[in-house]
Amino acid sequence: AQKVTQAQTEISVVEKEDVTLDCVYETRDTTYYLFWYKQPPSGELVFLIRRNSFDEQNEISGRYSWNFQKSTSSFNFTITASQVVDSAVYFCALRGVFGNEKLTFGTGTRLTIIP
Amino acid sequence: SQTIHQWPATLVQPVGSPLSLECTVEGTSNPNLYWYRQAAGRGLQLLFYSIGIDQISSEVPQNLSASRPQDRQFILSSKKLLLSDSGFYLCAWSVQEGSEKLFFGSGTQLSVL
Repeated sequence: AQKVTQAQTEISVVEKEDVTLDCVYETRDTTYYLFWYKQPPSGELVFLIRRNSFDEQNEISGRYSWNFQKSTSSFNFTITASQVVDSAVYFCALRGVFGNEKLTFGTGTRLTIIP
Repeated sequence: SQTIHQWPATLVQPVGSPLSLECTVEGTSNPNLYWYRQAAGRGLQLLFYSIGIDQISSEVPQNLSASRPQDRQFILSSKKLLLSDSGFYLCAWSVQEGSEKLFFGSGTQLSVL
C-alpha cells in the first residue's frame, strides 16, 4: 500500500523568510512519481511539479525548489523569499508509473505567510 | 486548451435529500476522470475514478455513486445524503497515457444539515 505523510499540519512564517514543507512517502513500487500541488483559497488544486523516482536530481523553479532523497523516502518542498501569495494548502502526492494508477495524497500543509 | 468545469460551487442540502454534482471536461478526448473528497482537516480521498464511458471504479464504500454517461462528463450522486457526506468535492481529469498531471476543477463545498 502507498502512503504519503505530511507531518506539518500548519506553518506560519513572516514574509521573505524561507520555508520548507516536508513530505515522506511509503511505496512498494520501484518506479513511481511524486507530485506537489498547491490549493489556494479559491479551492482548486494547481499542479506544481512531478518527479520521477529514477531521477534524484533536485529541481529549482524560481523561488521554488524540491529536494528528492530516495534513501530517506522524502520529497521536500522549499519556498525561498516567501510572499503572501504563497499562502495556501500544499499537498504532496504519490502514484505508480504503470497502468492507470491513482494518486495517493498526503493530508496537506497549510502555509500562512504573514505580511 | 483543456478546461474542467464543476458545479455548483456551494451546496447546502438537508440530510436524506438527493445529490447530483456535475463535472465536464473540454478540449480533450477520452480522459481519466476522478472524484475526490476533502474533509475538514484531512487529505484528499479518492472516491471514484473512470477510464471510459460507463467504466467506474469505487475506492471507498459509501452511499455515493458516480456515473459517466458521456466521454467528458462525470456525475457524483447520492440518493440520500448523510451528515458525514459534508466536505469539499473535487473533480479532476488526466490524460489516459501516463497520467502525468492531474487537473482539478474548482470544487464544490457541500454542507449537509
